[in-house]
Amino acid sequence: QVTLRESGPALVKPTQTLTLTCTFSGFSLTTTGVSVAWIRQPPGKALEWLARIDWDGDKYYSTSLKTRLTISKDTSKNQVVLMLTNTDPSDTAMYYCAQISHYDSSGTFDYWGQGTPVTVSS
Amino acid sequence: EIVLTQSPGTLSLSPGERVTLSCRASRSVTSDLLAWFQQKPGQAPRLLIYGASTRATGLPDRFSGSGSGTDFTLTISRLEPEDFAVYYCQQYATTSYTFGQGTTLEI
Repeated sequence: QVTLRESGPALVKPTQTLTLTCTFSGFSLTTTGVSVAWIRQPPGKALEWLARIDWDGDKYYSTSLKTRLTISKDTSKNQVVLMLTNTDPSDTAMYYCAQISHYDSSGTFDYWGQGTPVTVSS
Repeated sequence: EIVLTQSPGTLSLSPGERVTLSCRASRSVTSDLLAWFQQKPGQAPRLLIYGASTRATGLPDRFSGSGSGTDFTLTISRLEPEDFAVYYCQQYATTSYTFGQGTTLEI
């Protein structure tokens, strides 16, 4: 079955770069039509989509955060990495990764990890 | 970017009642690529509806989605205790995905 697990530091200082890893199983990011995305949720607030990487290497970013985000994949390790530069306390949130299957499923976030909490504070 | 506005913000209801949640888009959502998610405290969101009206695998048929263009609704025909949660709509018609701000169903 499909599983995703997020990992990364629980605490980062302002201006530092946050690096998060999504490790998944049950699917391959080399399969046509499969993508992995990152979504975050500040405490008590709504969901916010951040970035997506596709099976063919195409990448998409949130308009408001695109200058600070980098998404990459390591298909041999079944991992997707998200980097967020120049962090600020407003980046404090639960960070989720999710799988998308564009052609043989919903086309949106079918499977989610449990999330990893990140606090940005000095 | 398509802005999604959900209403109402909070609903206080009782088990057994029928409820309709609204999601309005700032411009037309192409091909009705609109989804609904349910989120309970301390849990990741769960996909309920996609393509505006298609139920996710295993979803009880008391949940239904409808709408097109800019106006979408999620209806729960008879609330069960486990349905009290936060509900988000999300559009995936553009590669700049967006979510609504959520509707909380409380007992």
